[in-house]
Formats: sequence, structure tokens, C-alpha cells
Amino acid sequence: KAGVTQTPRYLIKTRGQQVTLSCSPISGHRSVSWYQQTPGQGLQFLFEYFSETQRNKGNFPGRFSGRQFSNSRSEMNVSTLELGDSALYLCASSLVGGYRDTDTQYFGPGTRLTVL
Amino acid sequence: EDQVTQSPEALRLQEGESSSLNCSYTVSGLRGLFWYRQDPGKGPEFLFTLYSAGEEKEKERLKATLTKKESFLHITAPKPEDSATYLCAVQVIQTSGSRLTFGEGTQLTVNP
Repeated sequence: KAGVTQTPRYLIKTRGQQVTLSCSPISGHRSVSWYQQTPGQGLQFLFEYFSETQRNKGNFPGRFSGRQFSNSRSEMNVSTLELGDSALYLCASSLVGGYRDTDTQYFGPGTRLTVL
Repeated sequence: EDQVTQSPEALRLQEGESSSLNCSYTVSGLRGLFWYRQDPGKGPEFLFTLYSAGEEKEKERLKATLTKKESFLHITAPKPEDSATYLCAVQVIQTSGSRLTFGEGTQLTVNP
């Protein structure tokens, strides 16, 4: 069974630009969550999508947004990039999420974003 | 606010030297506690889920336990390939959805 895939794996952007990252969940998984990982803050929750609806949102500014398609694939977008947005962006999928035994989140390899 | 604290931040062991990693948590209502392993430049790899105090799970040289306030990851006779950052995360009871709150991790180095 294929794991969670993320594209692209590496990205370099300049301040002020915008970026779109893509995530394909494990087949059959309907919940997709996004996390930001930095050396100083660790892993922080961005948002979660289920059935094309945002179900949870972390404490990030509105520049960070996402969406989910009918096939459960998800994208996240960051507009007006800042230097502090440089991070590893991780996508995780779970079967349904929110219920015991379906909660386990499996992570993709991440997208390394560098903002210059 | 939900909090997860892992200790120690870093741990160096000799091959075969057993030890334990700690994860203490303060949450409004725990639904599950998760352990992950992360190698440099890669995404976290799932290890265990624990739901109830007293629960234990094992996988090869690793054993995870859970109490009402903390979890331990015991590593028995570690090998160099066990070197990685070990992350603990909690999921709290919410009306809907999944959301993990992570600790800062313990960076484990096992020397041959």
C-alpha cells in the first residue's frame, strides 16, 4: 500500500511570493492534516480536512490556507511568504480521524520550503 | 492549554545500554497518545498508540507505557539503527476531528 506522498519535496521562494504544496493521502484515508516543523517551534498543527471541509484549524495567520478535493487529495497555500515561513511542511492522513482506532496519522516525507 | 513535555532533550547510549524516554502531558481530556520516530530529513514514522492508563505496547526493542500523567518509551538493548528523534504527541477529546499536539522530541544517539 503506497504511503502519503507530498510534492514538491523541496522548494525555494522569495519573500512576498506565494506557494502551493500538494499531498496525496494513503488510499482510503479521508482525513488529511497539515503540520509545520521548525527547529525552534517543533511540530505545530496547521489544519485538518475531512470530506472537503476544514474540521480543525491551528493558530496560524490567514496567509495559510488549504483545501481538500473529492478524492481526498489536499493542497495548502501560503501567500505573501515571510522569512519565518521557512520550514518542513508535513502532511498526515488517517482513515477517518476523530474516533478511536481510526485516529492514527501517517506522515508523508514533507516539503522543505526555504524563503529567501 | 494542552502541553506535552519530553525529556531528556538528547540521550546518548552505548549499544546494548537500555534506557527510557519520558513524555509528560497536561491535557483537558486525553483520547490517545502517540509515539513516532523521525529520521533526519524525513517525516515521522508511526510507532505506537496508547489510549488508557496502564496500557502497554511492544515492538522489537521498544515498549511504550501510559499512566494518567505521562508515557514512557523503554528501549531495551538498543542498536545504532535505533538512533533517531522520538516524538510524543497527544490527541484530545474534541467534538470532531483529529489534531495532534507534539512534544519537542528526544534525540537518541546509540553508539556502536
